Amino acid sequence: DAGITQSPRYKITETGRQVTLMCHQTWSHSYMFWYRQDLGHGLRLIYYSAAADITDKGEVPDGYVVSRSKTENFPLTLESATRSQTSVYFCASRGLAGGSNEQFFGPGTRLTVL
Amino acid sequence: AQSVTQLDSQVPVFEEAPVELRCNYSSSVSVYLFWYVQYPNQGLQLLLKYLSGSTLVESINGFEAEFNKSQTSFHLRKPSVHISDTAEYFCAVTTGFQKLVFGTGTRLLVSP
Repeated sequence: DAGITQSPRYKITETGRQVTLMCHQTWSHSYMFWYRQDLGHGLRLIYYSAAADITDKGEVPDGYVVSRSKTENFPLTLESATRSQTSVYFCASRGLAGGSNEQFFGPGTRLTVL
Repeated sequence: AQSVTQLDSQVPVFEEAPVELRCNYSSSVSVYLFWYVQYPNQGLQLLLKYLSGSTLVESINGFEAEFNKSQTSFHLRKPSVHISDTAEYFCAVTTGFQKLVFGTGTRLLVSP
């Protein structure tokens, strides 16, 4: 499928478990982003990547790990899930073309940590 | 650092009435501004954006927003809303080509 996809769409896990959320885009966009959406906070940036093998922290990176070995994939790992990480996670991507800063968003992953 | 304030967490309105969703930003440098819309159980979609040029920008579905530098605002308006406009609307700002900073969102509730 063309565009940006996320898997799984829904995940329930337990405190302390490792969880990986997948993000895949077919546009060969250079930039990719991970956000979490929580009531009252809007979207907050967790990590972003400017290109393969280049990642950087966002506003709320603690407890998360990312990697970007291929341009099209940007997985987000919760190394030891906590209840405070219950949230909806959105992946986004953006190209390098000048004149537009539009980010394209995936459909989201709803994660519940029990 | 930039920040975005959306003071209204929820805006109820009747169908065919006008609506304004407020957005104010804070930045010490020039900014690019965006409005995204999120329909229930979906991701965010770009509604409109201001990069440069005309301060009034429009979307294909009748929304418009005006960049006001002196008031540091980018309010979203629509003269006549439809039931299908019910969604959450996010204002966002960036100063470059990397990170977007989002507001906390405004839920627009359109009732018949």
